[in-house]
Amino acid sequence: GDSVTQMEGPVTLSEEAFLTINCTYTATGYPSLFWYVQYPGEGLQLLLKATKADDKGSNKGFEATYRKETTSFHLEKGSVQVSDSAVYFCALEDTGGFKTIFGAGTRLFVKA
Amino acid sequence: NAGVMQNPRHLVRRRGQEARLRCSPMKGHSHVYWYRQLPEEGLKFMVYLQKENIIDESGMPKERFSAEFPKEGPSILRIQQVVRGDSAAYFCASSLSRGGLDEQFFGPGTRLTVL
Repeated sequence: GDSVTQMEGPVTLSEEAFLTINCTYTATGYPSLFWYVQYPGEGLQLLLKATKADDKGSNKGFEATYRKETTSFHLEKGSVQVSDSAVYFCALEDTGGFKTIFGAGTRLFVKA
Repeated sequence: NAGVMQNPRHLVRRRGQEARLRCSPMKGHSHVYWYRQLPEEGLKFMVYLQKENIIDESGMPKERFSAEFPKEGPSILRIQQVVRGDSAAYFCASSLSRGGLDEQFFGPGTRLTVL
């Protein structure tokens, strides 16, 4: 079945450092891909998405490009802030279209 | 416009008791999804419902778990005879149309602790 694999955390960075969180997926079709963010004690918020190959999703300085050839959707940000500390989940839309399949999450700590 | 609402936010039950988790979708949304998050893990899909219908329950345990989304009122996830392994955060999400076509909006979750 469809699945998502993302790099294990925690990732600890200093403020203004460059961020990459790797995500690869396995799917039988061409699913939509998502990054969600979860702040402590809260639910998930959609951060960005891409619906087809070579699409780039972007929001709040974060970017990710849908790479069909490498089945990847890596999350990047050029300069992280303390307020970016959270857990980040890579996800894909199940090819049946009914549910979202999540990776295990990557916890990010940003130090001032 | 209020977001997805879940209650209670925290629920403590003893083994063998019943747990009822409620989810009120965003206004106008008729598609509801339930997910479970075990500690330090990602969310796992449980069930997808539309008003009065279960569309996909492939992620629901076969026993003790049930879900409904009545014509009036919130969606309910019910866990009978809870066990310690049911301790988790349960998230509800809603969308305007079928998942994948429209963004799913998540509630703040219900954290269930089974003693």
